[in-house]
Order: sequence, then C-alpha cells, then structure tokens
Amino acid sequence: GQQVMQIPQYQHVQEGEDFTTYCNSSTTLSNIQWYKQRPGGHPVFLIQLVKSGEVKKQKRLTFQFGEAKKNSSLHITATQTTDVGTYFCAGMDSSYKLIFGSGTRLLVRP
Amino acid sequence: DVKVTQSSRYLVKRTGEKVFLECVQDMDHENMFWYRQDPGLGLRLIYFSYDVKMKEKGDIPEGYSVSREKKERFSLILESASTNQTSMYLCASSPPGLAGTDTQYFGPGTRLTVL
Repeated sequence: GQQVMQIPQYQHVQEGEDFTTYCNSSTTLSNIQWYKQRPGGHPVFLIQLVKSGEVKKQKRLTFQFGEAKKNSSLHITATQTTDVGTYFCAGMDSSYKLIFGSGTRLLVRP
Repeated sequence: DVKVTQSSRYLVKRTGEKVFLECVQDMDHENMFWYRQDPGLGLRLIYFSYDVKMKEKGDIPEGYSVSREKKERFSLILESASTNQTSMYLCASSPPGLAGTDTQYFGPGTRLTVL
C-alpha cells in the first residue's frame, strides 16, 4: 500500500538551532497536512498544503510541498523549548484516506 | 472550538475481553476516524465513517469493528482483546467533504493495556 516515510525519527537540538523534518511518499499526493503532538497530548493540526511547489509560513515554521507532490518538509528556525513534540506529516492517498508518517520527535536543550 | 472526547484516558483489560472505546464530537462533523498510535509507527487508520451507519476499513481493521448509530458518536469495538492490541487509540473527526481533505480534530486518546 501507499506509504509516507518521515525522517529523522528523532532530532535533539540546542535552543536557537534550526530543525527540519522531511516526508516522502511512494506516490503523488493530493494534499499534505502537518500535525504537532506535544508530549502526553494529542495531534493538533498545523497546516495543509495543496498546490505543487507551495510554501507556507507560520511565524518560525516554514512548510513546503514538492513540485512533484511526493515530498514535503517542515523547517523551524531558531527552535524554542515550546517547539518540543512530535511532528507528523499526513498525505491524502487516492482513496481519500490520510496516511500518516511515523513522526519526528523533536527535543530542545535549553 | 471543536471538542472530541473519548470515554477513558486509561483502560486495562484482560485477554479475551470485549472492549468498547467511545468517541463523541460536538461539531456535527460527518467524518470520524479511529487510529492506533505505536512508537515508531506513527498513526495507523483502523476504520473511518463518513456518515451515520456507514463505515470503511482503514489500513489495519483486523480484530476491530466499529459502530456509528448517531452522527456524534463513533465506537471502536475489540471483540476479543489480545495483547498485541495494547496501544494508544485516537479518535478524530473532520468537517463534511472528502474524508482526507480537511483538518482532523483529535480526541485526547485512550491508552489501552491488554494483560
């Protein structure tokens, strides 16, 4: 079946450093969504990208959708301790189901 | 604010027991989902429903069934719980339209342990 691979699995950074997580799909996606799950919490929607090559920003977070709509990335500039959590991408497959990546757990050293 | 609630945060059951996990949303959403979350595997879709009494299998439906008798309520049933069903179970709902095209709102999760 369709898979969405997400790397890295873990990232441990010093506060102020940048962070990036990547998602890759085996097939073209109709859209991609990003979610954040704080420790002990549940996933919370961050953003959705639909167009090929789309770039969206939310303060220090930059989201990109690849030209072929098979990959996406989330980049955080100058991480803060409040960024700690697991970031999931989720791509919509041809049967309109969201396929979640395995997530990237971000740890930030103060 | 959308509110998705789940009947229990923590549940401990014995092998072979029948288990019901309840999910309720208060935003009149058509689409509802059940996922399980395991370390390193992310969220995997068990079942989803796009309307009352309608259900569709997700990626890992084996060992589970669902019930959607009312729009706001979506139940996950483990007919005979097994130890490999120990996991975090997350319910989600989303507005009308194709099920994967809009934001999903998640409940707080139920951590189920099967002994």
